[in-house]
Amino acid sequence: EPEVTQTPSHQVTQMGQEVILRCVPISNHLYFYWYRQILGQKVEFLVSFYNNEISEKSEIFDDQFSVERPDGSNFTLKIRSTKLEDSAMYFCASSDPGQETQYFGPGTRLLVL
Amino acid sequence: RKEVEQDPGPFNVPEGATVAFNCTYSNSASQSFFWYRQDCRKEPKLLMSVYSSGNEDGRFTAQLNRASQYISLLIRDSKLSDSATYLCAAFQGGSEKLVFGKGTKLTVNP
Repeated sequence: EPEVTQTPSHQVTQMGQEVILRCVPISNHLYFYWYRQILGQKVEFLVSFYNNEISEKSEIFDDQFSVERPDGSNFTLKIRSTKLEDSAMYFCASSDPGQETQYFGPGTRLLVL
Repeated sequence: RKEVEQDPGPFNVPEGATVAFNCTYSNSASQSFFWYRQDCRKEPKLLMSVYSSGNEDGRFTAQLNRASQYISLLIRDSKLSDSATYLCAAFQGGSEKLVFGKGTKLTVNP
């Protein structure tokens, strides 16, 4: 069964450093998403991406965040200058055109020290 | 009022028990609803979509009541492997985001 994959599974970084989280969505999906989950909190939407541009973003997704689809398979989330409060699990998801069901990757656990 | 609210739990039930989870949503524009299952430190995995007519998948039954803005999940004959956190999620018309509840933790005991 096709699945979303993410790398790395864990990342530890110093405050102020840039991180790039990578995702490979399910191959025939055209909608891509990033969500995050702070420990003990709910899963929160960050951004959706379709047709090579951001289609929706939340108030969490401020100027320090960016997304990119650098090639035909990868979808990345960049955090330019990490803060302590960016420590969370980051999930990538993708969905089929015309379908609302979103499938999640295994997540990247980011720890900012 | 939170967009999606769930019974906080935790629910501790013996194997074989029937357990029901509730979820309410505040945005009447919400169009589609889902139950996801999340194991500790893992990703949400789709359990089932929720339809107005109600739907069943083996031991799991989901119901939607649009008038009351209420969704439910019933698990019959609980197994140890059903232990997880169950997340309710709403998908709003005109938006592409899933809005999740905080989840209800279930522990099935031998």
